[in-house]
Amino acid sequence: SQTIHQWPATLVQPVGSPLSLECTVEGTSNPNLYWYRQAAGRGLQLLFYSVGIGQISSEVPQNLSASRPQDRQFILSSKKLLLSDSGFYLCAWSVGTKDRYTFGSGTRLTVV
Amino acid sequence: AQSVSQHNHHVILSEAASLELGCNYSYGGTVNLFWYVQYPGQHLQLLLKYFSGDPLVKGIKGFEAEFIKSKFSFNLRKPSVQWSDTAEYFCAVKGDSWGKLQFGAGTQVVVTP
Repeated sequence: SQTIHQWPATLVQPVGSPLSLECTVEGTSNPNLYWYRQAAGRGLQLLFYSVGIGQISSEVPQNLSASRPQDRQFILSSKKLLLSDSGFYLCAWSVGTKDRYTFGSGTRLTVV
Repeated sequence: AQSVSQHNHHVILSEAASLELGCNYSYGGTVNLFWYVQYPGQHLQLLLKYFSGDPLVKGIKGFEAEFIKSKFSFNLRKPSVQWSDTAEYFCAVKGDSWGKLQFGAGTQVVVTP
């Protein structure tokens, strides 16, 4: 069966520290992968998407970056976190143009 | 660029009341439309989707949505809500060709017993 794993579930990091959130997908090949951020009162904002290994598109300018070192692995990173990076980060995948998206369980990031 | 607008950010209603959540989108081409729900402490999950055909779509848990092309709307409805429908609801839109799923800001629905 197809599953998506995202970790950690919660994270508290100081301002200026680095970040690495990992997302892996099982049971499918060549998925489209996405990172979304859900900030309070602002819904879900698409941060990055990837259609293949090494292919990353950024939707909004920000302090974050993404990488896809393997077909089913998607990593969200930052070299120096800002307070404004706090939020709930969701990884998702889809296959094809019409398939629905499947979301991971999310990571609650609090930058202090 | 496409955008999605959800009219209500917070809705409180009693059990057995009817629910309607508004969603409007702006996009020049053919769209795929979705409603997702996030129950407290759980993953986002798909309620229903519209790709083509009958504009009245039925989803899980008694929800339905109607696509009105002329109004660029995809409103979600449920005739009689239950306490377990307390959740955040997100409308989402994707262009028919490959495109990113764009979400609305979400509506927090609280159903009181």
